[in-house]
This record gives sequence, C-alpha cells and structure tokens, in this order.
Amino acid sequence: GAGVSQTPSNKVTEKGKYVELRCDPISGHTALYWYRQSLGQGPEFLIYFQGTGAADDSGLPNDRFFAVRPEGSVSTLKIQRTERGDSAVYLCASSSTGGSVYGYTFGSGTRLTVV
Amino acid sequence: DQQVKQNSPSLSVQEGRISILNCDYTNSMFDYFLWYKKYPAEGPTFLISISSIKDKNEDGRFTVFLNKSAKHLSLHIVPSQPGDSAVYFCAASGRWNKLIFGTGTRLQVFP
Repeated sequence: GAGVSQTPSNKVTEKGKYVELRCDPISGHTALYWYRQSLGQGPEFLIYFQGTGAADDSGLPNDRFFAVRPEGSVSTLKIQRTERGDSAVYLCASSSTGGSVYGYTFGSGTRLTVV
Repeated sequence: DQQVKQNSPSLSVQEGRISILNCDYTNSMFDYFLWYKKYPAEGPTFLISISSIKDKNEDGRFTVFLNKSAKHLSLHIVPSQPGDSAVYFCAASGRWNKLIFGTGTRLQVFP
C-alpha cells in the first residue's frame, strides 16, 4: 500500500486480556518501529526491527509486551495480561535506509483502551 | 529524565504572522533533529529535519534553527496559515535512528 497501515484503529479490551496490534509497513521498508503515545505525551519508543530481527527492544516496558516480524514485513505487537496503564495510542512507523534524515512514515495508530 | 523538552504546551498566532516553536535537549550525542506535525486521529507526519553539523535548514515556509551550545532548536513558520493548526513535536535521533520526542506544542492559527 501507499502508507503504513495499522489495524485495528480502535481496540477496547478488559483488564487482564491479551491483545494483538498489527502493522503493515510500506512495501520495501526494512526498518520498522513501534511507539506508544500516552495522553499529553509525545510518542515513546518501544522496539525497532531491521528486517526480521529486533535490533533494539529497550523501550518495551516489561515482559508483558512482545513484538514479532517473522517475514520482515508485517509486524504484530502483543500485550499479555493488559492493565489500565497500557491504554494509549500505539504507533507503528517504517523507513528505508536514512530514516533519521528524511523521517519515518507513521501509521495512524491503534487506540487501545483497557477497561 | 526527559531528554527532549517542549516547554510551551500551546501557542496561538494570527494568520500571516510568524510562529516560533521551541525545543530544548540534554544529550549532545544526538545527530539529527526533526519536527513532526500531528493532526487528530492521524499519525505524526515528517515536516523538516536538521543535522547536528548545521545551524539552519529551510524548506518553503518552514525553517529550523539549531543552537548546539545552548542545546536548543526552534521551528519558524512564516507566514502562518490556518492549516498549520496542529500539534508539533520536536524529536531527536539517537542510535538505530530511534527517535526521542518532546511532549508537543499545540499551535492554533486564527484569522
């Protein structure tokens, strides 16, 4: 597709449930990033994939969060035993080489609400 | 600790005037600085960037200035237009092109 696609756009889940958030990057983009934006804050880095491997997962808040990118394209962010504090907009971005100069392309995000 | 700070949560400017958005950072190892614009229910969109070896970059109505000694950058929009009304995020690029964002400044341009 022309842009980064994230599904679902909105997700409401009960505390303690498991959720999966999907990101479909721009075709050919080898770098993929997940960020989380809480209310009133800027996006906060979670994890970076180069191809299929996670090159930097230092932003994942705890072991309830996990992300995969098995074929180097689509990525899934998985959250186990969701907590109310996980409520945020989860943003995915992709870039080709040189992302720091030209900037990433972000998707519209998945708004996760844990009730 | 917040490495990138935008101390003004909001700014209101009359159409046609200059908008100046400010950003401060603490880490001198950042190599690129970027500005993103965000409309409600959309992802941030890249606006303009500047390398740490430069002090100015201009693109149309948008100019970014970098003062490394003060660890400060600013975005100038001139002339401001109503369509510029959005939240603007300053970001710094570190290792692996990981971006560290400020908390944003909401710009409102009124007629």
